Amino acid sequence: NAGVTQTPKFQVLKTGQSMTLQCAQDMNHEYMSWYRQDPGMGLRLIHYSVGAGITDQGEVPNGYNVSRSTTEDFPLRLLSAAPSQTSVYFCASSSVQGAGKLFFGSGTQLSVL
Amino acid sequence: GENVEQHPSTLSVQEGDSAVIKCTYSDSASNYFPWYKQELGKGPQLIIDIRSNVGEKKDQRIAVTLNKTAKHFSLHITETQPEDSAVYFCAASYDGNEKLTFGTGTRLTIIP
Repeated sequence: NAGVTQTPKFQVLKTGQSMTLQCAQDMNHEYMSWYRQDPGMGLRLIHYSVGAGITDQGEVPNGYNVSRSTTEDFPLRLLSAAPSQTSVYFCASSSVQGAGKLFFGSGTQLSVL
Repeated sequence: GENVEQHPSTLSVQEGDSAVIKCTYSDSASNYFPWYKQELGKGPQLIIDIRSNVGEKKDQRIAVTLNKTAKHFSLHITETQPEDSAVYFCAASYDGNEKLTFGTGTRLTIIP
């Protein structure tokens, strides 16, 4: 079982570029979410989804877009990258029965120059 | 919204001693409190959780206590070992859904 798979592991962007961070899970989890991790600020929720076709904003959604067309995939799009989006991004999933018990991917380290 | 404060930000303990990390939360409606461990270069991993209908929960060397009145909960690690060195995050949410609010993390270092 692969669990939660994130790609790429590392990415460098120039200001204004766009890109998509990929996230896939093979546990048939209904809930998927994206967090960013910054020094001294813990993990902050960007967007989340409670099922295919349903997404909602978290604490820091500005500059990010998501969609959930399948149960397995939950990509995060940076529309126009800014240096403030330099961070480590984590995708996580959980089941309805295990709600709150998140399974995290290994993260994507993003630098915006 | 919910606000979770976590202390200390760094903690060093001698191998074999105990470590305690404390968190406070602001929203009295929160009823699910998990703890995650993050090793270097990896994503956080759930190590123990507690719901508001329970005051304490133990799993081998790890325990969590909850004081609903004071709105704080703590992680206790006994007989610490080098592999306990990591960053630990507390979190809180309503009804155990996946929309967790995390604390800022504690970097625990076990000194051999």
